[in-house]
Amino acid sequence: GAGVSQSPRYKVTKRGQDVTLRCDPISSHATLYWYQQALGQGPEFLTYFNYEAQPDKSGLPSDRFSAERPEGSISTLTIQRTEQRDSAMYRCASSLAQDTGELFFGEGSRLTVL
Amino acid sequence: DAKTTQPNSMESNEEEPVHLPCNHSTISGTDYIHWYRQLPSQGPEYVIHGLTSNVNNRMASLAIAEDRKSSTLILHRATLRDAAVYYCILRDTGTASKLTFGTGTRLQVTL
Repeated sequence: GAGVSQSPRYKVTKRGQDVTLRCDPISSHATLYWYQQALGQGPEFLTYFNYEAQPDKSGLPSDRFSAERPEGSISTLTIQRTEQRDSAMYRCASSLAQDTGELFFGEGSRLTVL
Repeated sequence: DAKTTQPNSMESNEEEPVHLPCNHSTISGTDYIHWYRQLPSQGPEYVIHGLTSNVNNRMASLAIAEDRKSSTLILHRATLRDAAVYYCILRDTGTASKLTFGTGTRLQVTL
């Protein structure tokens, strides 16, 4: 696609529910990143994929968070048993390769946990 | 990750040059210096990056100190659309792929 596409743009859920966020990267891009951004803060790294491999998931805050990219293109970020502290903007980015520094970010998915 | 230090905020008048400083005294030889910016309600946007030499592109210039312990992002003529948070990030291409954002500099541009 022309840019990085994320869905849903907004998600409101109740505490304890599972949520899945989707990212569709730029079609030629091998590398895909997930970031979490709280209001007024910079983005915090969660995990990244190089094609379908997931070399670094050090930023995932707990085992309730998981991400997949089974065919090396679209990725999903799943948060199980959501908590209020999970409320944030979740941003996906892609880059041509893992050694290039130019990331292209999507518009994000804003998650609100009530 | 090597750390960067930026002022929390800066102000500029429209159509004047802006120099955004960044200190990175613990930079290593394999760290690239990246700048991103984030406009209100948008995702971060790549601005420029460099290793040792000064770099220019259509958006900005990056001036890197000879010892590489500091750098300056230069916007040649600030416009109201340049009001954003500017992040200076070190990226070690030898060991890691991720970008670690700090708190950045909030740039206000006034008429």
